[in-house]
Amino acid sequence: QVQLQESGPGLVKPSGTLSLTCDVSRGSISSDHWWSWVRQPPGKGLDWIGEIYHSGNTNYNPSLKSRLTISVDKSKNQFSLRLTSVTAADTAVYYCATSRDYCLDNWGQGTLVTVSS
Amino acid sequence: EIVLTQSPGTLSLSPGERATLSCRASQGVTTRYLAWYQQKPGQAPRLLIYGASIRATGIPDRFSGSGSGTDFTLTISRLEPEDFAVYYCQQYGPSPLYTFGQGTKLEIK
Repeated sequence: QVQLQESGPGLVKPSGTLSLTCDVSRGSISSDHWWSWVRQPPGKGLDWIGEIYHSGNTNYNPSLKSRLTISVDKSKNQFSLRLTSVTAADTAVYYCATSRDYCLDNWGQGTLVTVSS
Repeated sequence: EIVLTQSPGTLSLSPGERATLSCRASQGVTTRYLAWYQQKPGQAPRLLIYGASIRATGIPDRFSGSGSGTDFTLTISRLEPEDFAVYYCQQYGPSPLYTFGQGTKLEIK
């Protein structure tokens, strides 16, 4: 089964940019399915952020679209998330996951990102 | 946007009992677009059911999903100690592509 591992800074300053990477192992980023990002604020529920296909095609949550970029690097077998102009409301555990059969069937362990000065 | 409402918010049961969790959609959801997840503290969600009733790989058969239209149910036939967790339903499309219910916490009575 594909394994996913998120990485990136755990602390971002307000108005700064949140950048995370998801490394894909035991599988190829060029597989025939999409790759998603999901976040979960502390003590709250799950929010889908967006997804990308290995071709570079993306789908974004409209609530984040103006601040969001998801990209793929096939040479490194990874995909990335970039969220600009962050506020405390962006503090969350961020997960990467595989999107397949209209669900999210395989998840990374998640990484906590705190927005604070 | 389709809104998913889960009930109850918290369900208190004992091991060995049957659990019935509800997920109601604000408008009709295509059956193949409905999934259920289990999340334990400090862990990522785990896919249990997709297509409303298809168990994901490795999921015990005490977990079952049913429903159509706007009403869906996750049933755990006989609770094991490891089943106490938070459960989320999720639907696909149209925008945003994936939306989740607010979750049901299944706790030990």
